[in-house]
Formats: sequence, C-alpha cells, structure tokens
Amino acid sequence: DTGVSQNPRHKITKRGQNVTFRCDPISEHNRLYWYRQTLGQGPEFLTYFQNEAQLEKSRLLSDRFSAERPKGSFSTLEIQRTEQGDSAMYLCASRKGTGGNQPQHFGDGTRLSIL
Amino acid sequence: GESVGLHLPTLSVQEGDNSIINCAYSNSASDYFIWYKQESGKGPQFIIDIRSNMDKRQGQRVTVLLNKTVKHLSLQIAATQPGDSAVYFCAETENYGQNFVFGPGTRLSVLP
Repeated sequence: DTGVSQNPRHKITKRGQNVTFRCDPISEHNRLYWYRQTLGQGPEFLTYFQNEAQLEKSRLLSDRFSAERPKGSFSTLEIQRTEQGDSAMYLCASRKGTGGNQPQHFGDGTRLSIL
Repeated sequence: GESVGLHLPTLSVQEGDNSIINCAYSNSASDYFIWYKQESGKGPQFIIDIRSNMDKRQGQRVTVLLNKTVKHLSLQIAATQPGDSAVYFCAETENYGQNFVFGPGTRLSVLP
C-alpha cells in the first residue's frame, strides 16, 4: 500500500507567483479530495472529484484556486497570483467507493509559504 | 453553517491512563463519523469510524461512542501511550461523504 502521495512537501514562493501541487491517490480510490489546513485548525474542505468529474467546487476559496483530475488518477491544485493569506498546508485525501461509508485516507500535505 | 466542534482544545493524561476526547456536532443529518490522529508534519491518520445506525464501535485500544440524541461523539483510548500524543480530529459527513467537516482538534499530551 503506497498511500496518498503529495508533491512537493514544501513550497516557498513570492507573493504573486502561481503554484501547482500534485496528489497521487491510492490506486483503487475513485474519489479525491483537497483540503486546506491552517495552524491550529482542522482541515477545511475545498473540492472533490469522483473519477475525473469535479463534483463539488463551490468551497474553493476564490477564483484564483482551481483543481483538475484529467484522467481520473492524479490531481493538481493550482493557486494563481498567490497572496500571503494562502500560506497553509494543502492536504489531499482519497477514498474508494461510489456509495456507502468509507474513510478518507490523507497524504502528508504540501506546506505553502508565501514570502 | 453546520460545523463540528470540540469541547476541549488540550488534554493531558498520565501514561497508562485512559483518555477521552469529545466532539460535538450540529448537523443532525450527518450519518458517518470518523476520528483522525495527526502528528506534527503529517497528514491526518484514520483511527476509527462509526455510522449513524450504531452507538458504539471498538478497535484496537480505541472505542468510539456516538450519542445522536445530544449530537455528541467521543473517542476513548485505553492505556494511553507516549505514541498517542498528537492532535485528534473528529469529522462528520452526510450524503455518502461528498463533504467532510472537521472540528478544530484536541491536542493530547501523554505525561510520563
């Protein structure tokens, strides 16, 4: 079991730059989720995919945030024109099944620091 | 909006004692609950889950209790060990997990 893999683990960039994070879910998991976590808080849901379809994106924080999962396997989260308030841990999770109750499994996140 | 919260932000217990971490939720439609453990620099790690048609579920050294009447969830850790030190989150969802809502977390510290 290789688990959920996220890259890079850390990203430091200047304000105004674009950043892209990658998530490779557990191979048989068809659902993929993105969360943001700030210090001392629980993960905050951003968006989720079932296979390649993005079924919920209303929680993305602004139009600077976008996510893709073009082939239903790995996913990318992009933040354009980064702001200091974007500094956070970005977590990806995956789960299997199209119904019923299955737990999400998380990666170790990408920590974004905006200078 | 609906949210999940926790009664205590920090909890300190002696090694070997039992720990109880509490969680309150407000969405009466939630039908699935999960407890996660998060260590520093890592993602949340699944511990145990429970469906709304159950009121108790046991795992290895952990038990989750669900009281739907008062919308309360608890995690009991038996014989707490130093390796249990972490932040614990409860999460809830409805509609087959289209949107999981997490509480702010409780930091568990195990004292020698």
